[in-house]
Amino acid sequence: DAGVIQSPRHEVTEMGQEVTLRCKPISGHDYLFWYRQTMMRGLELLIYFNNNVPIDDSGMPEDRFSAKMPNASFSTLKIQPSEPRDSAVYFCASSRTGMGSSYNSPLHFGNGTRLTVT
Amino acid sequence: DAKTTQPNSMESNEEEPVHLPCNHSTISGTDYIHWYRQLPSQGPEYVIHGLTSNVNNRMASLAIAEDRKSSTLILHRATLRDAAVYYCIQPYGQNFVFGPGTRLSVLP
Repeated sequence: DAGVIQSPRHEVTEMGQEVTLRCKPISGHDYLFWYRQTMMRGLELLIYFNNNVPIDDSGMPEDRFSAKMPNASFSTLKIQPSEPRDSAVYFCASSRTGMGSSYNSPLHFGNGTRLTVT
Repeated sequence: DAKTTQPNSMESNEEEPVHLPCNHSTISGTDYIHWYRQLPSQGPEYVIHGLTSNVNNRMASLAIAEDRKSSTLILHRATLRDAAVYYCIQPYGQNFVFGPGTRLSVLP
């Protein structure tokens, strides 16, 4: 089991450029989550998918952010155009089950993508 | 918002037990309590979770109060590798709300 794989590990870009972050979840996991971590706000859920369908995107900061999951083994988080305040570490996580009260399957996180927008 | 309360930081000596407390006074009767930790430059990793009774696994033990308003994560013998931020979490709908956690320092 290779775990959740994210790429790239580091991304440095200029304001206004498009940024695409990639995630490969663990095979057999039906849920995929995108989180953002900053010093000021900690870990925040941006969006999550169940069986490749977006379920809750209420955490997506604004229209500049979009996420897709074209198949069970791949997801992208895109920021267009990027701004300096988007600088953060972005984590992808996957799980067999959802996070509801009957949850009994752990979240598995990738090692994150550190995004710096100058 | 489903908030938990943890001390900002704690210190422990290597090879001694560590008790990390968490208050979750708003927890509902069917919510599990989850613990994750985040090592430097890594994503959070699952530690343990439980509902009512105490739970043990190879990483830690979880002691849950009878009224379920608090719990304690127990590391039986802290190692340097256990230095991390420990998050105590209760679900909020389909979400996990991560608070600031407890930063554990382990002294050699």
